[in-house]
Amino acid sequence: NAGVMQNPRHLVRRRGQEARLRCSPMKGHSHVYWYRQLPEEGLKFMVYLQKENIIDESGMPKERFSAEFPKEGPSILRIQQVVRGDSAAYFCASSPPDRGGNEQFFGPGTRLTVL
Amino acid sequence: GDSVTQMEGPVTLSEEAFLTINCTYTATGYPSLFWYVQYPGEGLQLLLKATKADDKGSNKGFEATYRKETTSFHLEKGSVQVSDSAVYFCALRKGSGGSNYKLTFGKGTLLTVNP
Repeated sequence: NAGVMQNPRHLVRRRGQEARLRCSPMKGHSHVYWYRQLPEEGLKFMVYLQKENIIDESGMPKERFSAEFPKEGPSILRIQQVVRGDSAAYFCASSPPDRGGNEQFFGPGTRLTVL
Repeated sequence: GDSVTQMEGPVTLSEEAFLTINCTYTATGYPSLFWYVQYPGEGLQLLLKATKADDKGSNKGFEATYRKETTSFHLEKGSVQVSDSAVYFCALRKGSGGSNYKLTFGKGTLLTVNP
């Protein structure tokens, strides 16, 4: 059973461009979580999604950031008009269906660098 | 809000040395506590956990005890190996109620073990 997959592993963008980060959960997992790790900081919760639903986006910046988890395909974290402050590691985690308190399995992360 | 404070790194030890990585937390109620490990190039993996006061989590020779009186969850290992070199994250999650899926992380501690 493959683990959580994230791609790309490294992404370089210039200011003003768009960044799309993809997350494929483990097989059978229908809950996806995104976390961001800024330099010298711990991981911080961004958003919790189930298939076709955003459950909690309280950790998402109000502008430029969006997330989706369609019925088919990976979850996508989209950052429009990136700025230098968006440079960070973005981690995705997934868990099985059932209550949200199940163990979360993490992917290797995508390291975004904004020039 | 909830927070986790863990020992600043990096920590460098010789093989077979004793390891302690301190972790303290601030949270309301009765959170669950976790240690995650991230090996180079990989995602975070759950190392051990404890869900109530005085519980001891253990795995791969690592141990941590949930101390409610000192709000601590220090990670220990009696004899480290080179293969233990990684980044270690302390984390908490609310025990019940809404948002019991959100993990709150410390900044991580880089451990390097030399032969």
